[in-house]
Amino acid sequence: DQQVKQNSPSLSVQEGRISILNCDYTNSMFDYFLWYKKYPAEGPTFLISISSIKDKNEDGRFTVFLNKSAKHLSLHIVPSQPGDSAVYFCAASGGSDMRFGAGTRLTVKP
Amino acid sequence: DAGITQSPRHKVTETGTPVTLRCHQTENHRYMYWYRQDPGHGLRLIHYSYGVKDTDKGEVSDGYSVSRSKTEDFLLTLESATSSQTSVYFCAITTPGTEAFFGQGTRLTVV
Repeated sequence: DQQVKQNSPSLSVQEGRISILNCDYTNSMFDYFLWYKKYPAEGPTFLISISSIKDKNEDGRFTVFLNKSAKHLSLHIVPSQPGDSAVYFCAASGGSDMRFGAGTRLTVKP
Repeated sequence: DAGITQSPRHKVTETGTPVTLRCHQTENHRYMYWYRQDPGHGLRLIHYSYGVKDTDKGEVSDGYSVSRSKTEDFLLTLESATSSQTSVYFCAITTPGTEAFFGQGTRLTVV
C-alpha cells in the first residue's frame, strides 16, 4: 500500500521560473511532512519540513504548503536554478513510521 | 555529516547466499530505518527500529531480517539473496518530528 504518492515522475522548468512539486498521502496519522533532495550516488538530503499544525513553511527559495483536508502537500521553488536539478522525495511521518513517495525528477533548464 | 555510515558501499553476491549490510551511527538517535530505492518506486521501507532489540516490519520486509543489539548499529540481513533484491539500500536515522539523516547507500547486485 503506497501511503505517499508523487504522481509526476518528472518536471522540467526554465531557470528563474517557479517549480511546483506535488505529493499526496493517505494515512491520517501522519503529522510531520518533509521534502528531500537526492543527487545520483548520494543519500537523500533534507530540504524543508512542515508540521501538521501549520499550513505553510518557508525557507529562502523553498516553500512547503500543507492542505490537511485534501491530504496534499506541495513544494514551491522560486526562482528555480540549474543547481536545483535533482530527484525530490516527499516524506510523511507519524510516530515511528516514515514513508516516502516515488520521487519527482526536476530539471531546470538554463 | 550526520555521523551515519553504511558498509559495504558496493557488493556483488550470488543468488542464494546470505548477505548482511551494516548501518552505524554516532549520533545516538533512537530510530533507525532501512529503505530500498528502485526505479519507479522511490524509497520503500523494509524494517525499522525504535530502540535496542525493538524492531518492526515495513512495507517490503519479506526476505529481510534486521537486528539491533546496540544503539549505534542496525544490521539488515538477506537470508538467501534473490535477483529481486538487487537494489540500492539506504539507512536513515532520526528522532520523530525532526528530519532524518541518510547514509550514502549500499549498491547490492545479486547475480
